[in-house]
Amino acid sequence: GQSLEQPSEVTAVEGAIVQINCTYQTSGFYGLSWYQQHDGGAPTFLSYNALDGLEETGRFSSFLSRSDSYGYLLLQELQMKDSASYFCAVSRRDDKIIFGKGTRLHILP
Amino acid sequence: DSGVTQTPKHLITATGQRVTLRCSPRSGDLSVYWYQQSLDQGLQFLIQYYNGEERAKGNILERFSAQQFPDLHSELNLSSLELGDSALYFCASSVGGGRTGELFFGEGSRLTVL
Repeated sequence: GQSLEQPSEVTAVEGAIVQINCTYQTSGFYGLSWYQQHDGGAPTFLSYNALDGLEETGRFSSFLSRSDSYGYLLLQELQMKDSASYFCAVSRRDDKIIFGKGTRLHILP
Repeated sequence: DSGVTQTPKHLITATGQRVTLRCSPRSGDLSVYWYQQSLDQGLQFLIQYYNGEERAKGNILERFSAQQFPDLHSELNLSSLELGDSALYFCASSVGGGRTGELFFGEGSRLTVL
């Protein structure tokens, strides 16, 4: 079987830093991706980790530990426009890309 | 704009009916993925095609079928519709298969079954 676990909701303050965790259990793991989805919109790709370590893209960073089956998305200098749902997704060797249920990020002014 | 086009954007139909959702991938992308997203739910993987062939299958109901045509556009057919099939259906494309990790999503087709 397979599973992805991420918190259903996270609240943070504008200008602060927030980390969204994702643990996964799957066969044939290849990499971990993160997507952002605003209400009523389509998911948009943020980052992808196939190797252990930290990947940085502007205010967003993503981390992967393959040995721990764990990853996180780090959002810095939070802005109100970052209020959205964030999904982790595992890429598998059989080409499936399986998404978690998503984390709704609430940002307070 | 992701470059992925989905039609129709909205569709309202009755139980027992059949609908077809269409997806045109980004230029150059060979792989098409279909996902179902119900209210407050994640993205449920349905099926994936690569260059015209079915590559991976998720929890797709037997009432649902899909195909990818030689011009790489894809169609998702939903038949004998039930109320629970009401959802947002997304198509996404990628250059290769899932190992690239990066999918480009269309704006989705919102299906309402009454």
